[in-house]
Amino acid sequence: DQQVKQNSPSLSVQEGRISILNCDYTNSMFDYFLWYKKYPAEGPTFLISISSIKDKNEDGRFTVFLNKSAKHLSLHIVPSQPGDSAVYFCAAVNNAGNMLTFGGGTRLMVKP
Amino acid sequence: GAGVSQSPSNKVTEKGKDVELRCDPISGHTALYWYRQSLGQGLEFLIYFQGNSAPDKSGLPSDRFSAERTGGSVSTLTIQRTQQEDSAVYLCASSPTTGEGEQYFGPGTRLTVT
Repeated sequence: DQQVKQNSPSLSVQEGRISILNCDYTNSMFDYFLWYKKYPAEGPTFLISISSIKDKNEDGRFTVFLNKSAKHLSLHIVPSQPGDSAVYFCAAVNNAGNMLTFGGGTRLMVKP
Repeated sequence: GAGVSQSPSNKVTEKGKDVELRCDPISGHTALYWYRQSLGQGLEFLIYFQGNSAPDKSGLPSDRFSAERTGGSVSTLTIQRTQQEDSAVYLCASSPTTGEGEQYFGPGTRLTVT
């Protein structure tokens, strides 16, 4: 039973446009969420996070939105750049804070 | 500063052999995690170490998998009698402490069991 789901395995976006990556979770005990970016042959790197006490967190071109009632979060990248092409994982921290539960990832391709 | 390192980067082994994967966390990080990513799948939690406490082994898929962390630093993940379904990328991460805050991942070890 997947507690964190990314229903879109891939997304293709034109350079300069907005990329929206979605993530849904089922465990209401999750209270902290993170987005990681992964290039081939590299480990995931942290991108941005959000606490459940907030509904939005922004860092440059990246904004994460959290809708607790819908158990849904999204990552917006604007404007998208070719270097953003990677696999993006959303992750949730459990209430003990000792592991990340990851979604299956979304492969983003930004076309020049 | 130095990030999380893992060795080997690639390992090909025959079914039934034992393998050891190594992780060097970031110096000073007390928490260490092992995950694996099978082909086409997301990252799956395996085991977690925090300081000198007993590890959380709840994610280990079978008793063929074990891990230890010596001196609160380097960790080895051992897979005994490897099976083809063990083929995956094994990722190690560390963090300064538990709770909120990101984990820093190593580049992974790609294990192929033939």
